[in-house]
Amino acid sequence: DTAVSQTPKYLVTQMGNDKSIKCEQNLGHDTMYWYKQDSKKFLKIMFSYNNKELIINETVPNRFSPKSPDKAHLNLHINSLELGDSAVYFCASSQQTGTYNEQFFGPGTRLTVL
Amino acid sequence: AQSVTQLGSHVSVSEGALVLLRCNYSSSVPPYLFWYVQYPNQGLQLLLKYTSAATLVKGINGFEAEFKKSETSFHLTKPSAHMSDAAEYFCAVSDPGNTGKLIFGQGTTLQVKP
Repeated sequence: DTAVSQTPKYLVTQMGNDKSIKCEQNLGHDTMYWYKQDSKKFLKIMFSYNNKELIINETVPNRFSPKSPDKAHLNLHINSLELGDSAVYFCASSQQTGTYNEQFFGPGTRLTVL
Repeated sequence: AQSVTQLGSHVSVSEGALVLLRCNYSSSVPPYLFWYVQYPNQGLQLLLKYTSAATLVKGINGFEAEFKKSETSFHLTKPSAHMSDAAEYFCAVSDPGNTGKLIFGQGTTLQVKP
C-alpha cells in the first residue's frame, strides 16, 4: 500500500483552466503539506494542515486553495492556471507538527500549463 | 531566518569512490537538519536527520552525515558509491517555529560513473 498517494501523476492543461490535485495518506498522520518544485528542482513549502486546521500559508497566490476534508486528505485546487504554475507538486505528511518530525512524500504531480 | 546552502549543484564520482555532498546552514537557534534523496520521477525519501542527539548520524543505504557547529555544516558522505546512488540530494533545515516547515537547499545531482 502506498503511504502517501497523489492523483493525477501528470496533468496537462490550458492557461486559464481550473484544476485540482488530490492527496491521501494512510499513515495515520496528523499533519499534511503541499510543496512546489520548480524547473530548477527548488522545493518550497506552500501550505500545511494539522488535523484539518491550516498551519502554514506561505506567500502563495490566492488562486491556490488547499482543502482538507479530513486529516487523511489534503487537496489542492488551482484557479485560472498560469504558465508559471507549471511545476511538480508534492504532498507530504508527518506524524505531528514539529521541528524534527520526518515528512513522508508522495510521488508528485507534474503540472504542465500550455 | 533559517537557510541552507548546498555547494555544488552537480557532483560526479566513479563507482566505488567516496561520495561527499556539502551542506551549510544558517540558523538562529540549534537546528534540526535533514538529508532527503529524490530518485528520478519519484518523491523525496528521508536519508537521515540530525536532532542534537549525536553529531555523527547514520542513515539508510550506507550514508552518514556529521554535524559540525563550528563550521555550520552537515555534509553527507558514503564510503563507496553504487550506481543506484545516482539521484538528487536535498539538505533541509526545520523552521524553529514548530510548524514542521522545511527549508530546502538547492539540491545536488549525484552522478555515478561505471
